[in-house]
Amino acid sequence: AQRVTQPEKLLSVFKGAPVELKCNYSYSGSPELFWYVQYSRQRLQLLLRHISRESIKGFTADLNKGETSFHLKKPFAQEEDSAMYYCALSGTGGFKTIFGAGTRLFVKA
Amino acid sequence: DGGITQSPKYLFRKEGQNVTLSCEQNLNHDAMYWYRQDPGQGLRLIYYSQIVNDFQKGDIAEGYSVSREKKESFPLTVTSAQKNPTAFYLCASSKGTGAEKLFFGSGTQLSVL
Repeated sequence: AQRVTQPEKLLSVFKGAPVELKCNYSYSGSPELFWYVQYSRQRLQLLLRHISRESIKGFTADLNKGETSFHLKKPFAQEEDSAMYYCALSGTGGFKTIFGAGTRLFVKA
Repeated sequence: DGGITQSPKYLFRKEGQNVTLSCEQNLNHDAMYWYRQDPGQGLRLIYYSQIVNDFQKGDIAEGYSVSREKKESFPLTVTSAQKNPTAFYLCASSKGTGAEKLFFGSGTQLSVL
């Protein structure tokens, strides 16, 4: 069965510090992984997806199939990064996307 | 202005009442989804639809019903059988098949009177 686990409900870091939001998944097939972000009073939106191998707003995420992880990282956190972050999983060729419970990131000045 | 429109923003339900949440998109997307968002539980999939006149149950479909008569519209009915309906409901759409990027509406907060 598909499952996404985000072990941290809240992550608090100081501005300029590195940040890592953890995501582990369970899926028997070939996974498609995503990170979505919800800033205050804004809609949930895609931050990045693993197949794009891109860096958005300084964030990167590497799919580690051995550890079944897709952790989100940024070397230097900014106050505007404060938001709710959701890791999401979809299967190849499938429509069903499932989400983790989310991690609230708070970047302190 | 393209996107997904959910209405109403706030909705109150009385005991034994069915209520319908509206979701409309003008992105010409084939797939549409309904998620329920509860604090600490993330988003849970209620129903999804790949094409017009077709839909599938998600993980928590009990007490909910949907229809997909038009490509643009995917209304969700919360029936009286749903005993714990208070939640934030999000509608989303995606372009087509496969693991596509989801576009989200602004949500509807449903509360029980």
